[in-house]
Amino acid sequence: AQSVTQPDIHITVSEGASLELRCNYSYGATPYLFWYVQSPGQGLQLLLKYFSGDTLVQGIKGFEAEFKRSQSSFNLRKPSVHWSDAAEYFCAVGATASKLTFGTGTRLQVTL
Amino acid sequence: DGGITQSPKYLFRKEGQNVTLSCEQNLNHDAMYWYRQDPGQGLRLIYYSQIVNDFQKGDIAEGYSVSREKKESFPLTVTSAQKNPTAFYLCASSIRREGRNEQFFGPGTRLTVL
Repeated sequence: AQSVTQPDIHITVSEGASLELRCNYSYGATPYLFWYVQSPGQGLQLLLKYFSGDTLVQGIKGFEAEFKRSQSSFNLRKPSVHWSDAAEYFCAVGATASKLTFGTGTRLQVTL
Repeated sequence: DGGITQSPKYLFRKEGQNVTLSCEQNLNHDAMYWYRQDPGQGLRLIYYSQIVNDFQKGDIAEGYSVSREKKESFPLTVTSAQKNPTAFYLCASSIRREGRNEQFFGPGTRLTVL
């Protein structure tokens, strides 16, 4: 069975600092991987996705993620965090669009 | 603008009452999904549908029912059999069920059962 682990429940960074959110997955083959962001009381917005090919994926809002098969990871990064990036971030894995498993999320707090 | 609409944003019901949450999309997507979100638990799939008049149970379907009479609409009914219905409910859609497609999400409905 597929599974996703986001080991950090809550992360606090200073505005302008770099950010890395961790995502580890368990899946038998090369999965489809996604990062979504959720502001309080809102739906989820897709930041980026990986299906195949180049393992470094660029997304919206200056985010990127790197697929590392050897480590079963798909960590999300941003070189310089803005206060508006404060939100909850979800990693998801699946073989198809309908069979996604979501992690429990990482809440990002940004200090000024 | 294309997107997914969920209504209402907040819903309050008394224990023992059935309640229906609305989800409409104008993206011309074939597949639609319902998730439940509880704090610290991520998203859990309730039901999904890939075509009109067809739907499948997800991981936590007990106490819920759905219908898919139109491509654009996928309402979710929370029945009195659902033991703990208070939660944030998210509707999503994708172009198709299979393949390299992402899910797009609506703004959610927060249901509180008193």
